[in-house]
Amino acid sequence: QQQVKQSPQSLIVQKGGISIINCAYENTAFDYFPWYQQFPGKGPALLIAIRPDVSEKKEGRFTISFNKSAKQFSLHIMDSQPGDSATYFCASSSLGNQGGKLIFGQGTELSVKP
Amino acid sequence: EAQVTQNPRYLITVTGKKLTVTCSQNMNHEYMSWYRQDPGLGLRQIYYSMNVEVTDKGDVPEGYKVSRKEKRNFPLILESPSPNQTSLYFCASSFNGGRAFFGQGTRLTVV
Repeated sequence: QQQVKQSPQSLIVQKGGISIINCAYENTAFDYFPWYQQFPGKGPALLIAIRPDVSEKKEGRFTISFNKSAKQFSLHIMDSQPGDSATYFCASSSLGNQGGKLIFGQGTELSVKP
Repeated sequence: EAQVTQNPRYLITVTGKKLTVTCSQNMNHEYMSWYRQDPGLGLRQIYYSMNVEVTDKGDVPEGYKVSRKEKRNFPLILESPSPNQTSLYFCASSFNGGRAFFGQGTRLTVV
């Protein structure tokens, strides 16, 4: 009930291509779905997040697509750049009485080749 | 500058020797958490706190203790470290359980 499954584990994309990372959650009480970006030697940093009342959110080259009925959400990175090479984590939480309990996916190591 | 500060950044210790990793945030956040990061397993929550003197177990609490006596500090205590606690540890804080700000991490090796 609490798992968040992320795929793929690693991804290699050419510069200018589209990177797509997928996540699936189980707990229907989750109402907050963030993506975090982590560079080597650094802590994760929030990239973009979505609430379940919308199906898509776009910020620059980064888009979250959300499918509530399928309990899935994905991160799309358009025009991928070598500087996007990092590890990406999806996460889910319920901002209600369990606020603060973020459940993370396993992570995706993205490498963008020049 | 808004930040979460962890110390130390690197630590090598021996089995059974008690240690404390400190965490401090300057954003007046109510929520604070500890995670461990292991290859292929992502970030797993150890403990979290929703306010001073309010803490709860995360997914992997065994072998760890925490305390929240002040709003800004949330230390992680390993009373008797074992080699399976070798990992990369992150402290995080957030205002309402939403956007989390992470520290730089503490790489712990237990030999």
